[in-house]
Amino acid sequence: GENVEQHPSTLSVQEGDSAVIKCTYSDSASNYFPWYKQELGKRPQLIIDIRSNVGEKKDQRIAVTLNKTAKHFSLHITETQPEDSAVYFCAAKYTGFQKLVFGTGTRLLVSP
Amino acid sequence: DAGVIQSPRHEVTEMGQEVTLRCKPISGHDYLFWYRQTMMRGLELLIYFNNNVPIDDSGMPEDRFSAKMPNASFSTLKIQPSEPRDSAVYFCASSPRQGSYEQYFGPGTRLTVT
Repeated sequence: GENVEQHPSTLSVQEGDSAVIKCTYSDSASNYFPWYKQELGKRPQLIIDIRSNVGEKKDQRIAVTLNKTAKHFSLHITETQPEDSAVYFCAAKYTGFQKLVFGTGTRLLVSP
Repeated sequence: DAGVIQSPRHEVTEMGQEVTLRCKPISGHDYLFWYRQTMMRGLELLIYFNNNVPIDDSGMPEDRFSAKMPNASFSTLKIQPSEPRDSAVYFCASSPRQGSYEQYFGPGTRLTVT
């Protein structure tokens, strides 16, 4: 069935370091992959997304890469700052459905 | 636009009571989603609507849960009777139209059942 696996579950980095979060999906026909950031006590907010017809997308310090052959995609955050500390969720939209299937989340902690 | 609006923001109730959560999607959005978030189970999709019609309710945990969307600007999620294990944050999200997959979340309702 539909499944999205996300790793790691927690990630601690020093300010200025890079952070990478990885997700794998099961449906080879999946065509949309968003990333959401959720700060403590707040709603999930879309930070970047990628469609299956491109391999990489970048927005300032964040980027997402997609490997359709291996069925995995990754979030890259460069020059991390304390305000990047949050839980990050990946998701995949499956063909024929409008719904998203979410990963289990990665808690990122950026220490000053 | 005010974004997705949910009420109440916090609800504390006793086991056995009926709970109704409310959502107003972003104007013009065709899709509405109800999610439940807990530490143990993460973010789970309960049900979603397209143009007020329920499309997929496979995530609704049991018959105690029901959801309605009487018009394009209002939806409810009802739990009757409520149980302590229903304690969670319930999010509503909306999405513009088919082919546009971004989902915009409301602030959530934190439900505590004692």
